[in-house]
Amino acid sequence: DAKTTQPNSMESNEEEPVHLPCNHSTISGTDYIHWYRQLPSQGPEYVIHGLTSNVNNRMASLAIAEDRKSSTLILHRATLRDAAVYYCILRDDFGNEKLTFGTGTRLTIIP
Amino acid sequence: DTAVSQTPKYLVTQMGNDKSIKCEQNLGHDTMYWYKQDSKKFLKIMFSYNNKELIINETVPNRFSPKSPDKAHLNLHINSLELGDSAVYFCASSAHNGRNTEAFFGQGTRLTVV
Repeated sequence: DAKTTQPNSMESNEEEPVHLPCNHSTISGTDYIHWYRQLPSQGPEYVIHGLTSNVNNRMASLAIAEDRKSSTLILHRATLRDAAVYYCILRDDFGNEKLTFGTGTRLTIIP
Repeated sequence: DTAVSQTPKYLVTQMGNDKSIKCEQNLGHDTMYWYKQDSKKFLKIMFSYNNKELIINETVPNRFSPKSPDKAHLNLHINSLELGDSAVYFCASSAHNGRNTEAFFGQGTRLTVV
């Protein structure tokens, strides 16, 4: 699986937007970009995924750079419940049975 | 209704014992996984099954044996438990293999070997 690089930690104020970056300079043309998060004492939870175009769902938005070497997960209005570790993962068809988790970004929300 | 459920949630046992963790998904998914999260919070895949067939075995000691009686269940049996097996074990499922699918995880089983 191609490698991703994320900041170890970030902080954001409650009710503010949060932009979580991910670099994936070795991404291949067929890799999907997935984001998961893990709240304290819980299992990982799917957030969003995309290939080339920006994506929106009820949880977040995913902005993908034109060259696909980076992406940004956007939480539009952070709440305390969004405090979690966020993982950016590339998924291809050659290891498609698994999600390879890195160390992720620990997001702290400040009330 | 819990999509992916694991039992037990907590398991404390002595070294050398044999124990099982059960996992069931009610999503109708074809693919199921076991992940291990160690004390440093690193999540690593152990096994993957697709339609009851083993697809991935990520160099896990053969003391760990997954069993999939049907598509909805993937149980994990561990023989001769060691201190280093202490971790949180997560079961997950997805609709089918592929890069355009999402996975659903259970709440985890915290195994403590004493």
